[in-house]
Amino acid sequence: EAEVAQSPRYKITEKSQAVAFWCDPISGHATLYWYRQILGQGPELLVQFQDESVVDDSQLPKDRFSAERLKGVDSTLKIQPAELGDSAMYLCASSLWATGTGNTGELFFGEGSRLTVL
Amino acid sequence: AQSVAQPEDQVNVAEGNPLTVKCTYSVSGNPYLFWYVQYPNRGLQFLLKYITGDNLVKGSYGFEAEFNKSQTSFHLKKPSALVSDSALYFCAVRVRYGNNRLAFGKGNQVVVIP
Repeated sequence: EAEVAQSPRYKITEKSQAVAFWCDPISGHATLYWYRQILGQGPELLVQFQDESVVDDSQLPKDRFSAERLKGVDSTLKIQPAELGDSAMYLCASSLWATGTGNTGELFFGEGSRLTVL
Repeated sequence: AQSVAQPEDQVNVAEGNPLTVKCTYSVSGNPYLFWYVQYPNRGLQFLLKYITGDNLVKGSYGFEAEFNKSQTSFHLKKPSALVSDSALYFCAVRVRYGNNRLAFGKGNQVVVIP
């Protein structure tokens, strides 16, 4: 069964350092999402891509976070510099396509990347 | 903006008893509703969804959920809980026409007691 791949699974870093997460969606899925899940809370959308274009990054802290999906396939989420409050699980998800009417597709999630900032 | 409320932090149930996890939603227009389950240090797994049609939807692992438009609810149910059902459960909603942005609730921890 096809899966969303994420790496690394776990990352420990010191504040002010740079950190990057990688995601490879299910083949053929045009839409890719990055969510942040703080312990005890539900996932919150950081950024959504349709192919290589950003559809929604309204909740992305752009002063320190960046995301790209250059060829419309895999994606990288970067944090620079990391802060203590960035400690969370970073989840990547994909779906067939998002825009337009009638899409009923659910999101498929990867296993997540757990970040601890010391 | 769409939102989901999961009023209980934790649901405790004895193995073999019925399990219910509550969810109410708020959205402008017709909703698509989803339930996901998350095991410790894992990603979210899709359980079931309501799109249209029959208000009772059946999903994976014996779970089902009932859509109630008048009460804006989408409660998750299982007739007989298993210890292996102990996990974190998330309800999510999106508008029918849009960019597929899902809004998640805060989650409910389910503990099934042997």
